[in-house]
Amino acid sequence: KQEVTQIPAALSVPEGENLVLNCSFTDSAIYNLQWFRQDPGKGLTSLLLIQSSQREQTSGRLNASLDKSSGRSTLYIAASQPGDSATYLCAVNSDTGKLIFGQGTTLQVKP
Amino acid sequence: EPEVTQTPSHQVTQMGQEVILRCVPISNHLYFYWYRQILGQKVEFLVSFYNNEISEKSEIFDDQFSVERPDGSNFTLKIRSTKLEDSAMYFCASSEYRGLAKNIQYFGAGTRLSVL
Repeated sequence: KQEVTQIPAALSVPEGENLVLNCSFTDSAIYNLQWFRQDPGKGLTSLLLIQSSQREQTSGRLNASLDKSSGRSTLYIAASQPGDSATYLCAVNSDTGKLIFGQGTTLQVKP
Repeated sequence: EPEVTQTPSHQVTQMGQEVILRCVPISNHLYFYWYRQILGQKVEFLVSFYNNEISEKSEIFDDQFSVERPDGSNFTLKIRSTKLEDSAMYFCASSEYRGLAKNIQYFGAGTRLSVL
């Protein structure tokens, strides 16, 4: 059974710092991995999708990497801003289409 | 940009009542999903739907739950007799593909269900 874990559960950094969020999964037989952002009480906004054949994907200040064989993904946020404060979720997608989520990392960026 | 729309944003109901949560997926998408998130917990898969039938359902999705695509645009989740433990945020999602590496699921803003 696929399990997804995110470390750390919470993170507080000063504005401008670069940071890394971690996601690990137990079954490497995935089709892709998605990173989402969730603001308090809100829905899920898709940030990046990495296909199983890809090593990394970039969007603006965000860079996600995938090492499928070791069951790990990282989300790198460059030059963090207070507006980046949110919960970041990773989710893996198997051949059935359902997403299996980690518990998220809650990020606070202090001005 | 196309988006998944969910109504209502917040639903309050009494235990034992039936509720219907509504979703309008992105128009050219063929695969539809419901997830839920109990406060402070992980987002959990409930059910996937394609070609007017359930593709997969989780252990959570018992006989109290049902899904329907009543017309060409809406996708609904019905809970027949709500329980206190059904209180959660319910998310609808849709995707153009399934089981492909480029399958991106797009989520709605969610319906917060409060069972009293």
